Amino acid sequence: DTAVSQTPKYLVTQMGNDKSIKCEQNLGHDTMYWYKQDSKKFLKIMFSYNNKELIINETVPNRFSPKSPDKAHLNLHINSLELGDSAVYFCASSQAFGSGANVLTFGAGSRLTVL
Amino acid sequence: AQSVTQPDIHITVSEGASLELRCNYSYGATPYLFWYVQSPGQGLQLLLKYFSGDTLVQGIKGFEAEFKRSQSSFNLRKPSVHWSDAAEYFCAVGDRYNNNDMRFGAGTRLTVKP
Repeated sequence: DTAVSQTPKYLVTQMGNDKSIKCEQNLGHDTMYWYKQDSKKFLKIMFSYNNKELIINETVPNRFSPKSPDKAHLNLHINSLELGDSAVYFCASSQAFGSGANVLTFGAGSRLTVL
Repeated sequence: AQSVTQPDIHITVSEGASLELRCNYSYGATPYLFWYVQSPGQGLQLLLKYFSGDTLVQGIKGFEAEFKRSQSSFNLRKPSVHWSDAAEYFCAVGDRYNNNDMRFGAGTRLTVKP
């Protein structure tokens, strides 16, 4: 039973399109995240979110927006896709919020390719 | 803000040999430290963590890491590597006082020779 699941696993699309990646966690965690892993494997946080607060990394373009219908889901919506958006996007969750001691549970990743 | 450096991009070891992956951090206080492993096509999995106390921490899959404050290091070790250990390894540091921004190193890719 997958703890953090993301769909789709692979996504190939054209520049300018809008796409979404879905994430669900069944761990009962309070906080969910989106990370971007570039072609050099560098991981960078994009968003962290619980039901009270959204923290956005200031370097994330506003074309990216998280949407959370409930505590167990945090979807990533991307508008007007650009070539530089090609990456692997990881969803993660943790029990606590606002603590550097958070242990993250990651999904398997969604590889986005923009042509 | 905290930062992490993993000096080795790629390491190759023979199966059965010992392993040490280096991690150096920059942080004004005692940080929260983590090692994660990413197998091909998979998400990251926690190997071990250090928050306080004993500076030698044990993790899953026979891994251990030692926090050395004087060297700002948190190196990962394993006495005998198995072929299944081939993966990407990430060191990460969390801010003790605030924020959800866990900083990851650039990763070290481990290749295991038969």
